[in-house]
Amino acid sequence: AQKVTQTQTSISVMEKTTVTMDCVYETQDSSYFLFWYKQTASGEIVFLIRQDSYKKENATVGHYSLNFQKPKSSIGLIITATQIEDSAVYFCAMREGRSNYQLIWGSGTKLIIKP
Amino acid sequence: EAAVTQSPRNKVAVTGGKVTLSCNQTNNHNNMYWYRQDTGHGLRLIHYSYGAGSTEKGDIPDGYKASRPSQENFSLILELATPSQTSVYFCASGEQGGWDAEQFFGPGTRLTVL
Repeated sequence: AQKVTQTQTSISVMEKTTVTMDCVYETQDSSYFLFWYKQTASGEIVFLIRQDSYKKENATVGHYSLNFQKPKSSIGLIITATQIEDSAVYFCAMREGRSNYQLIWGSGTKLIIKP
Repeated sequence: EAAVTQSPRNKVAVTGGKVTLSCNQTNNHNNMYWYRQDTGHGLRLIHYSYGAGSTEKGDIPDGYKASRPSQENFSLILELATPSQTSVYFCASGEQGGWDAEQFFGPGTRLTVL
């Protein structure tokens, strides 16, 4: 069965440091995409970054990057040089090739950036 | 300018009443989705649509109906609202044909059923 698990409920770090949020997934498919979304305090949900299961290179967008460890079914989100405005809830999601474009979501990790 | 909008943003309903949540998108996306978000559950898919006239059941469709009268509009209908349907509801749109495509979300509707 498909499943996405985020075990870290909440993380608190100092501003300007690097933080990693964990996500593990379960799938029977060899082809899938992994996504990270951010939900701000206002409730807005925005897409951040994605990883193709066939690509070995870790995706990077701005100060977001991924640590894709396929043998461990793990896709960590790394935020470098964190800023106060990075405080939010971060969701990991997966789409399998046979899922008709549906996303399977994790339960989210709340990130608190302290000044 | 917001590409996915939802109305109303807040709604208080009575148990047994009918509630309609509306979503409009200007992305010209074929796919649209309705989710609910509850603490500890992340986002759960209720219904989705591949285009005008189509609706499909998601993971938790019981107690909900959906309607897609046009490319731009997708509604979620609670015929007989119950307190367990108190939640925040999000609409999203996405491109069809690319399963690497991200989804674009509306601002959410907070529904309270008393």
